[in-house]
Amino acid sequence: DAGITQSPRHKVTETGTPVTLRCHQTENHRYMYWYRQDPGHGLRLIHYSYGVKDTDKGEVSDGYSVSRSKTEDFLLTLESATSSQTSVYFCAISEANMRTEAFFGQGTRLTVV
Amino acid sequence: RKEVEQDPGPFNVPEGATVAFNCTYSNSASQSFFWYRQDCRKEPKLLMSVYSSGNEDGRFTAQLNRASQYISLLIRDSKLSDSATYLCVVIGQGGSEKLVFGKGTKLTVNP
Repeated sequence: DAGITQSPRHKVTETGTPVTLRCHQTENHRYMYWYRQDPGHGLRLIHYSYGVKDTDKGEVSDGYSVSRSKTEDFLLTLESATSSQTSVYFCAISEANMRTEAFFGQGTRLTVV
Repeated sequence: RKEVEQDPGPFNVPEGATVAFNCTYSNSASQSFFWYRQDCRKEPKLLMSVYSSGNEDGRFTAQLNRASQYISLLIRDSKLSDSATYLCVVIGQGGSEKLVFGKGTKLTVNP
């Protein structure tokens, strides 16, 4: 299995609090992604990164920010969590070559109460 | 039109059946295509890549039709262990290298 870990795996937080999810890889892959998965919506891209300090928005980026100060770490921050951000969050990594597969972390189940 | 659309499913088939899923994509410039499998409450994992010439891996066959902008996945002789959600993935939509996922099609293979 690819070396990609997410932390925490489960979190319950209160509305209005900041939350940071971490994705760590040991594969030295250039691309890192954050997705959320909700029933009826499938996997939706929040933000992605194509290098250190290089990030771009996905289709559901409002309310989220990211940072990538090192190749191996990609952080997702919910500045002020809302109940609509209750979801399962997946991190993924891939090589620069678009023809190679993406590997996923095991997911973080976030509940905002 | 959504970037990537899949058959909504769910598909319920008996063991041994042949089942096919389709996925359409909106951008003709898309470059790479994949099928992923996701088991319940697990992360998605690559099932197979989809090449222009079509490709086969055991009971699984993937096809790409660039003219009509769709990809397909055929599963022959379905097994109980094939029960999962199958996700279509497209890379290169709109010149971006980001991965775009379809919503997935749930397959249940029944004894």
